[in-house]
Amino acid sequence: GQQVMQIPQYQHVQEGEDFTTYCNSSTTLSNIQWYKQRPGGHPVFLIQLVKSGEVKKQKRLTFQFGEAKKNSSLHITATQTTDVGTYFCAGPKETGGSYIPTFGRGTSLIVHP
Amino acid sequence: DAGITQSPRYKITETGRQVTLMCHQTWSHSYMFWYRQDLGHGLRLIYYSAAADITDKGEVPDGYVVSRSKTENFPLTLESATRSQTSVYFCASRSTSRTGELFFGEGSRLTVL
Repeated sequence: GQQVMQIPQYQHVQEGEDFTTYCNSSTTLSNIQWYKQRPGGHPVFLIQLVKSGEVKKQKRLTFQFGEAKKNSSLHITATQTTDVGTYFCAGPKETGGSYIPTFGRGTSLIVHP
Repeated sequence: DAGITQSPRYKITETGRQVTLMCHQTWSHSYMFWYRQDLGHGLRLIYYSAAADITDKGEVPDGYVVSRSKTENFPLTLESATRSQTSVYFCASRSTSRTGELFFGEGSRLTVL
């Protein structure tokens, strides 16, 4: 099964409202990555968090990694129609010395103008 | 700068036929991955490869075969396609870093009738 759980599955917002998606793991993660997939497109890397309690910002996007390194969140301030897409978190699963990215099921963001 | 390319982008086939999806990357990345994406399931790992001639199963490997005779190529074969294999398939690559970002191809949409 999935190593990381992501909620919500869908989120409808009015343009200008904020949006948050959450990623939770039952085990401690060495790092967590976030990806964005536009409708009809492919996932594109956004950021990687490594440190406990780490917070990183990219313009209107704020990424957090929990103190226990078991959860993470992505917050978008004042959403725009260009933010539409599915946001995935991915945690590494160690297998035979390799770290294999395991994805959450994603949160689809729908922005209504 | 082609990066990572997949072919074909779209494929319609019939149950029982063999289908091969191609993936080619120009970066000489060590790691390559095949994911399938289905509504409600996010991205699920089929197979991955840490280097040429080294492949390993992911979460949903049944019905699929891979090979990696050259670093740059990682074909995925459905030996006898079934309707449940109708999906969008993404190939991805990663450098030698154990935890680096994934670079995804544009995807191959497969329909099995």
